[in-house]
Amino acid sequence: DAGVIQSPRHEVTEMGQEVTLRCKPISGHNSLFWYRQTMMRGLELLIYFNNNVPIDDSGMPEDRFSAKMPNASFSTLKIQPSEPRDSAVYFCASSSGTSSYEQYFGPGTRLTVT
Amino acid sequence: AQSVAQPEDQVNVAEGNPLTVKCTYSVSGNPYLFWYVQYPNRGLQFLLKYITGDNLVKGSYGFEAEFNKSQTSFHLKKPSALVSDSALYFCAVREGNTGFQKLVFGTGTRLLVSP
Repeated sequence: DAGVIQSPRHEVTEMGQEVTLRCKPISGHNSLFWYRQTMMRGLELLIYFNNNVPIDDSGMPEDRFSAKMPNASFSTLKIQPSEPRDSAVYFCASSSGTSSYEQYFGPGTRLTVT
Repeated sequence: AQSVAQPEDQVNVAEGNPLTVKCTYSVSGNPYLFWYVQYPNRGLQFLLKYITGDNLVKGSYGFEAEFNKSQTSFHLKKPSALVSDSALYFCAVREGNTGFQKLVFGTGTRLLVSP
């Protein structure tokens, strides 16, 4: 099993640019989570999907952030326009939700907005 | 609403000594509890979980955790620490028997094992 795959691993962009982060969950998992991690705020849940449907997006910072899950094997997190305060590591995680509840995390995307 | 507290920002222990990383939780129903470890520049890795059954749960890399319902705690333990155990540890909780799988994570505890 390849685990959760995220791309890119590193992204450096200028303020005002659009950023798209990508995630491929573990095959067969029906829940997907996007997190953000910073030194100041720790680990924050941004949004999660169950069976491709957004369930809770209360953690999304503002309208500049949007997430989609067009099918069971792909999700995107988009920031438009990006700002320096968006600099963080963004993690995607997935879980199966049937007999086990643990989430499996991807390696993360380190975003730097200058 | 469920919550998790990790009261120690950092735990220091000498290699070969036992280690404990503390976690307390608050949920209105039955808790499902988890421990994760994060090494530098890596994602969180699942270590172990408590869903039901035996209060002592064994997980990866020789770690174990004890569920204590009366003290609402789920402390992570290891009998003999290794330098390679140095990492950031997160406790997480979800309320069992709910339809959705949101986990609430603690703020993390940094474990430093000295040679």
